[in-house]
Amino acid sequence: DAGITQSPRHKVTETGTPVTLRCHQTENHRYMYWYRQDPGHGLRLIHYSYGVKDTDKGEVSDGYSVSRSKTEDFLLTLESATSSQTSVYFCAISSRDRGPETQYFGPGTRLLVL
Amino acid sequence: SQQGEEDPQALSIQEGENATMNCSYKTSINNLQWYRQNSGRGLVHLILIRSNEREKHSGRLRVTLDTSKKSSSLLITASRAADTASYFCATAPYGGATNKLIFGTGTLLAVQP
Repeated sequence: DAGITQSPRHKVTETGTPVTLRCHQTENHRYMYWYRQDPGHGLRLIHYSYGVKDTDKGEVSDGYSVSRSKTEDFLLTLESATSSQTSVYFCAISSRDRGPETQYFGPGTRLLVL
Repeated sequence: SQQGEEDPQALSIQEGENATMNCSYKTSINNLQWYRQNSGRGLVHLILIRSNEREKHSGRLRVTLDTSKKSSSLLITASRAADTASYFCATAPYGGATNKLIFGTGTLLAVQP
């Protein structure tokens, strides 16, 4: 457990509405990541952050934006949710002292877009 | 693009038996990791093996890496019911950021008591 929480844990929303998911960490880790997990695809990287206000795109970034205004919080926003964004979203962290390659995951957020 | 493909997709064994799952990947890598995911939970890191290593052990886990075949295997010895989970390999492609991982689709392991 790397002190990672995600909120909300479950959300149901309607197509076209904006949705923001929050990842919060308590141990001052530098790197934070957002993934989505879908059957048959494993985990796919959406966006990641390597510091406050420093973010970069991952493999499946279209339709998503992120912000990191302070070390402990990494927000994922679906600007206009679509049914294809129904998924389980995982936040992860890594740090230099534990080895930046090794990632520690939060419990996940289940999102259903109707 | 999917880098890693696990094989088999599903595996069912009896408690006490060994479980072997394989991962194949497409491009050269810096390192390869294995993660476990229990149903409804986040992933948990198991072991990391670097491209210049051939074998690594951690408790009941043994990982091998064959870079010439672009493949890795995870062996769990003397399996227990608590080992029931999905297992994913994750690679850090060579030339990219070592923390920008690409995950495979996973092997679902069921250990029958």
